[in-house]
Amino acid sequence: EDKVVQSPLSLVVHEGDTVTLNCSYEVTNFRSLLWYKQEKKAPTFLFMLTSSGIEKKSGRLSSILDKKELFSILNITATQTGDSAIYLCAVDQAGTALIFGKGTTLSVSS
Amino acid sequence: GAGVSQTPSNKVTEKGKYVELRCDPISGHTALYWYRQSLGQGPEFLIYFQGTGAADDSGLPNDRFFAVRPEGSVSTLKIQRTERGDSAVYLCASSPKLGGELFFGEGSRLTVL
Repeated sequence: EDKVVQSPLSLVVHEGDTVTLNCSYEVTNFRSLLWYKQEKKAPTFLFMLTSSGIEKKSGRLSSILDKKELFSILNITATQTGDSAIYLCAVDQAGTALIFGKGTTLSVSS
Repeated sequence: GAGVSQTPSNKVTEKGKYVELRCDPISGHTALYWYRQSLGQGPEFLIYFQGTGAADDSGLPNDRFFAVRPEGSVSTLKIQRTERGDSAVYLCASSPKLGGELFFGEGSRLTVL
């Protein structure tokens, strides 16, 4: 059965800390891996990764994919309270819809 | 509108009632998806459309759930004989083509009493 597993499920840090969120997957016909941020309702797109070893970066957020070991990490440096959200990992398979993990709930305290 | 629009944003109904949830995708997006998200869970795939046809409805939990997209734009998710376990946020998303980045709506929160 295809699956996407995220860890940890929840995390509490202080402002300024660096966090690493993990996503592992077992799917057939892998095409890409996507990260989303969900603050209240609609998930918003962060990154799409298709190739191993190439880091995608946007401000304090970065992500990388390892297609051999079947995982991805999302790093957030110098966290801020506005980073508090659920971070969702999803895998795009050829010919079907995205499969999502359960998400990591990140809480950043001031 | 610029984004995916879903109505109603909140729906409270009684067990056994019929419910319709509507999704208006981004103009020009041919692929449309329905997901269901329960508290503490990631979005769970229900069904997706490519144009007017349901390309994959394998995620629909049972035959009480049905979705249509008659003109290849707006979609309606229909739930018959609602049960308390149907309570969740129903998310709609669209994309220019199958695969890749999805653009999500704000969701419809369904509460079945």
